[in-house]
Amino acid sequence: EADIYQTPRYLVIGTGKKITLECSQTMGHDKMYWYQQDPGMELHLIHYSYGVNSTEKGDLSSESTVSRIRTEHFPLTLESARPSHTSQYLCASSSRTGGVGSGTEAFFGQGTRLTVV
Amino acid sequence: AQSVAQPEDQVNVAEGNPLTVKCTYSVSGNPYLFWYVQYPNRGLQFLLKYITGDNLVKGSYGFEAEFNKSQTSFHLKKPSALVSDSALYFCAVRDFNNAGNMLTFGGGTRLMVKP
Repeated sequence: EADIYQTPRYLVIGTGKKITLECSQTMGHDKMYWYQQDPGMELHLIHYSYGVNSTEKGDLSSESTVSRIRTEHFPLTLESARPSHTSQYLCASSSRTGGVGSGTEAFFGQGTRLTVV
Repeated sequence: AQSVAQPEDQVNVAEGNPLTVKCTYSVSGNPYLFWYVQYPNRGLQFLLKYITGDNLVKGSYGFEAEFNKSQTSFHLKKPSALVSDSALYFCAVRDFNNAGNMLTFGGGTRLMVKP
């Protein structure tokens, strides 16, 4: 069983509030990711990290920010939530790629379903 | 660039019948291909992957997938469906040359298995 945790599972907040979605993994993985998923839609990568102090923006533009101060922790922050941020947010991690022929799957948290009213 | 397509939004199958969930991909290099399943109120779970070797890959819960390079497909299959297989299935691809290990996911296919 993969050990990657997201909190909270569900969150309903008012417009303009600052929120942080937590993601932690106990597998020692270097790479971590945040994906955004609208119901029935594909996943979009919004942030990723290759390791401590490394963060990059993903394919989908997002007003959120991330930090990676510790290997196991990759929180996502919205400074001022808006209704357009209503979505499901999935955190994932994977280990460093090995040599030729290796491929590493990502392990996903259960997701945080965010509703901004 | 890499992309993946799941042409069916939903697949309906009777319990005990074989099931197929389709996936086609596009990458510039060699593909790493994955299938994930998402049960209601759960996170994504890894099912199986293709890296190299045998084109038929076996995974969790009796699922298998066949890599077809000429058709750029990686269809998910199971010989006999169970009601408990009902879930959302995602195909994903990563270009071997993509050192970032980032996956591109398809839009998902909802599998409904009727008793």
